[in-house]
Amino acid sequence: AQKITQTQPGMFVQEKEAVTLDCTYDTSDPSYGLFWYKQPSSGEMIFLIYQGSYDQQNATEGRYSLNFQKARKSANLVISASQLGDSAMYFCAMEAGNMLTFGGGTRLMVKP
Amino acid sequence: DTGVSQDPRHKITKRGQNVTFRCDPISEHNRLYWYRQTLGQGPEFLTYFQNEAQLEKSRLLSDRFSAERPKGSFSTLEIQRTEQGDSAMYLCASSFEAGAASYEQYFGPGTRLTVT
Repeated sequence: AQKITQTQPGMFVQEKEAVTLDCTYDTSDPSYGLFWYKQPSSGEMIFLIYQGSYDQQNATEGRYSLNFQKARKSANLVISASQLGDSAMYFCAMEAGNMLTFGGGTRLMVKP
Repeated sequence: DTGVSQDPRHKITKRGQNVTFRCDPISEHNRLYWYRQTLGQGPEFLTYFQNEAQLEKSRLLSDRFSAERPKGSFSTLEIQRTEQGDSAMYLCASSFEAGAASYEQYFGPGTRLTVT
């Protein structure tokens, strides 16, 4: 069985600063994918970034980067230069066996 | 460019009634997924289709729930004899899968169900 753990229920960050959202996972499947999604108050899940378990380099997408530490089974999301529009719920998810397993989420609040 | 759409966006129903939700995926996507999300939690997998075939169902999908994707395009999720515990956001997602390659799932806006 797969499990995703997000230990930070809520985080504050000052506008323009960087923030790291933690995610650890557990799986016995050697091949898996790790995803981060953003869910604003409107409810839609927005795909941010993907990391494959065999990828050698950490994924980056604009202001988002994924700090993938396979031995520690962690896949932390780093958001650089936070903006007010980044305030939302953030979910880490793992794909193994054709479905996504989500963590409980972290609510990020960006302060002006 | 049209994303995943869901209808209705909100549904209020009385306990014991049947409800049906519709999902239209991104047109070239061959996989379609249903998830349920309760307040303060991450989404939980319910079921998925590859084209018209329903390939996997979660234990969360009781016999009151049924999903179809008759022509491999849109999908419907029906809940019979609704219970208050069915109140949740029902999310649909689609993706394109080819062989062993895995691609991101694109989510629709969800249908928020309230059972009174």
